Amino acid sequence: QQQVKQSPQSLIVQKGGISIINCAYENTAFDYFPWYQQFPGKGPALLIAIRPDVSEKKEGRFTISFNKSAKQFSLHIMDSQPGDSATYFCAASVTDSWGKLQFGAGTQVVVTP
Amino acid sequence: EPEVTQTPSHQVTQMGQEVILRCVPISNHLYFYWYRQILGQKVEFLVSFYNNEISEKSEIFDDQFSVERPDGSNFTLKIRSTKLEDSAMYFCAKSSGRGNEKLFFGSGTQLSVL
Repeated sequence: QQQVKQSPQSLIVQKGGISIINCAYENTAFDYFPWYQQFPGKGPALLIAIRPDVSEKKEGRFTISFNKSAKQFSLHIMDSQPGDSATYFCAASVTDSWGKLQFGAGTQVVVTP
Repeated sequence: EPEVTQTPSHQVTQMGQEVILRCVPISNHLYFYWYRQILGQKVEFLVSFYNNEISEKSEIFDDQFSVERPDGSNFTLKIRSTKLEDSAMYFCAKSSGRGNEKLFFGSGTQLSVL
């Protein structure tokens, strides 16, 4: 059972462009939606997170858009930089679920100079 | 937040052998987790641990797996009899409290079962 579906699998974007990654979830009990960034050989690092009471959250060049009725959320990376080249995972969890995050399959983003 | 330190970074073992993966040292943290990532696949929850007890575990975390915090700081994951399919990157994670889902992951231990 794939509770969080992520697309695309991979993405190539030019420096300065916008990277968009989409996720959809099934469990309506989910109430916490983080995005993690992972570089090769490293563990996932929390990038930005949102709760369903807001439709958008922005931190620097990173924005989460959230559509509760459609059960979808997305990550936008504005002005993409080569240093943003990494694998991005969306995730979802239920508050008080003891840290049990359900991860998406990941999107490998490559930003070309 | 301080980093989560894991040792070893890479471990090779023979099928059927026991392995112990460690988070070390961790102090003043109460909530710990193990996740794993098979090569090229998504990160999967294994177990959460609070107050020296398992809080929640996934279907992956069967009787071959165990966790403990033997000396109050190190947090370990033991696999009793490794199988080929246990080959994966294992991540330890921590959070500052229940209901605080902000998890901080270590760099992982790459386990290779031959």
